[in-house]
Amino acid sequence: AQTVTQSQPEMSVQEAETVTLSCTYDTSESDYYLFWYKQPPSRQMILVIRQEAYKQQNATENRFSVNFQKAAKSFSLKISDSQLGDAAMYFCAYRTAYTGTASKLTFGTGTRLQVTL
Amino acid sequence: KAGVTQTPRYLIKTRGQQVTLSCSPISGHRSVSWYQQTPGQGLQFLFEYFSETQRNKGNFPGRFSGRQFSNSRSEMNVSTLELGDSALYLCASSLGQDADTQYFGPGTRLTVL
Repeated sequence: AQTVTQSQPEMSVQEAETVTLSCTYDTSESDYYLFWYKQPPSRQMILVIRQEAYKQQNATENRFSVNFQKAAKSFSLKISDSQLGDAAMYFCAYRTAYTGTASKLTFGTGTRLQVTL
Repeated sequence: KAGVTQTPRYLIKTRGQQVTLSCSPISGHRSVSWYQQTPGQGLQFLFEYFSETQRNKGNFPGRFSGRQFSNSRSEMNVSTLELGDSALYLCASSLGQDADTQYFGPGTRLTVL
């Protein structure tokens, strides 16, 4: 079974600074998808970024980028120019690319990000 | 395009009762997945429905069930509620292709007294 580990329960960053959230995962599969989701205090889970394992290029979405290291099974999220609105719980998630069980997301325990002035 | 909607947003029940939660996916999405979120267990997959058929199921007791209608709307039902069922129940929809991204609704906060 796949597992996702987020070893940083809480992180803090000053506004306009850069922060990196860590995520490692364990799988025997070679084809899969990785996601970062953000859950603000209002609770709605929002997709931040998605990475396909077969793509070597790291995904980017505006101020959000990932460092995907397939061999190390590492998938960190970098937030540049942090804003107050970035304060939230961030979840790393894994999804197999194989049919049958492909719909299930396996989540890490989350990292709570605080943004300070 | 409207996002995933869930009703009700909050629910208070007592032990032994049953509850039904509803989820309306994004228009055009045919797959609906349900997750339970608790402080102790985190986010856990309950089940997924596609074209009115349960396609995948998590490790939950039979008291947890669901269904999907022809318009892709989904309901989940929990019978004989226990205190441990108190949680945020999240619904997520996707187009239904295996490579799809799931988009989440705001959740239903269930409190069991």
